[in-house]
Amino acid sequence: SQTIHQWPATLVQPVGSPLSLECTVEGTSNPNLYWYRQAAGRGLQLLFYSVGIGQISSEVPQNLSASRPQDRQFILSSKKLLLSDSGFYLCAWSPSSIQPQHFGDGTRLSIL
Amino acid sequence: GQQVMQIPQYQHVQEGEDFTTYCNSSTTLSNIQWYKQRPGGHPVFLIQLVKSGEVKKQKRLTFQFGEAKKNSSLHITATQTTDVGTYFCAGQESNYQLIWGAGTKLIIKP
Repeated sequence: SQTIHQWPATLVQPVGSPLSLECTVEGTSNPNLYWYRQAAGRGLQLLFYSVGIGQISSEVPQNLSASRPQDRQFILSSKKLLLSDSGFYLCAWSPSSIQPQHFGDGTRLSIL
Repeated sequence: GQQVMQIPQYQHVQEGEDFTTYCNSSTTLSNIQWYKQRPGGHPVFLIQLVKSGEVKKQKRLTFQFGEAKKNSSLHITATQTTDVGTYFCAGQESNYQLIWGAGTKLIIKP
């Protein structure tokens, strides 16, 4: 069966520091991969999605970037974090763009 | 652009009462998906509706997709404490990204 791993579970970072969040999927090949952000008590905001290695689409312009160096690895990065980057970051995968998405446990990011 | 409006934002119910959340899209959808997010957790896929007028049931949960494929609802009969969480709909036009509703938070009154 397929599993998705996302780490770390929680992270506290100072303003201006870099960020790297990693997500990996097991048990499937060539999945669609997604990064979302969720503010407290709010809905899901799609940040990036990828349909293959090296293929990244950005939905929201910001100081975040994403990379997919391997088929089942998706990384969310920032060179300099802002206070507004705080939130709950969720990675998800789906077999295709029209099939349901399956989420990792998420990373709670607090910026001080 | 495509929008999916979901109401209400919150619903407070006594345990045993029913709960309903509604989603409306500005455009015709190819499918709509429903997810549940428990407090502190991640969204979990519940169901996908594809056909016009489709009705699907999962125990006490009933999901409907409108005839015009522009609206959908989730109804929970006789809510239990295990139903607490936020329910999201997510609509999709063919081969486009999911557009998420803002969610409806189900709160059980003490």
